[in-house]
Amino acid sequence: AQSVTQLGSHVSVSEGALVLLRCNYSSSVPPYLFWYVQYPNQGLQLLLKYTSAATLVKGINGFEAEFKKSETSFHLTKPSAHMSDAAEYFCAVSVDAGKSTFGDGTTLTVKP
Amino acid sequence: KAGVTQTPRYLIKTRGQQVTLSCSPISGHRSVSWYQQTPGQGLQFLFEYFSETQRNKGNFPGRFSGRQFSNSRSEMNVSTLELGDSALYLCASSERLQVAEAFFGQGTRLTVV
Repeated sequence: AQSVTQLGSHVSVSEGALVLLRCNYSSSVPPYLFWYVQYPNQGLQLLLKYTSAATLVKGINGFEAEFKKSETSFHLTKPSAHMSDAAEYFCAVSVDAGKSTFGDGTTLTVKP
Repeated sequence: KAGVTQTPRYLIKTRGQQVTLSCSPISGHRSVSWYQQTPGQGLQFLFEYFSETQRNKGNFPGRFSGRQFSNSRSEMNVSTLELGDSALYLCASSERLQVAEAFFGQGTRLTVV
């Protein structure tokens, strides 16, 4: 079985500061890992995915994540936060097509 | 391509009633998954359908059921509604040729009163 732990349910940063959202996973087989973003009353939008190719994955809106097998981590980063980045972010793991296990989410607040 | 379409967007039902939610996947996608999202439980997997067959199922009671049609559109049904069923129900479609990202609809907000 797979699981995901997102450290920190709320993260607050100043505009222009580094964004770091943490995700650790547990999986008995090599996983596929995803980061999604959700704006209020909307569905989830894929930011980026890791599918066993490059360990450093670049996504949309300037986000990237690095897969570290030794640490079982897949942390999401962005060098400079924008106000529009304020949203809820979900890390997900999938080892079976069609079914993903999501973390509890991290709400990102960006202060002006 | 059009995205995943869920109807209706909002729904208010009374305890004990049943409800049917609809999801039209992205054209060409044959896998449809359903998730329940609540503030207390987060995102929880309900079930997945592929080629009209349920392939995966989460830990929900039998009151939650679904089906998929030959055009890949899917419906989810909840019978004997309880207050705790109030949630955002999200549908996601994928190609399912391999583990792939899911494309989500905007969800149906169900309120049970």
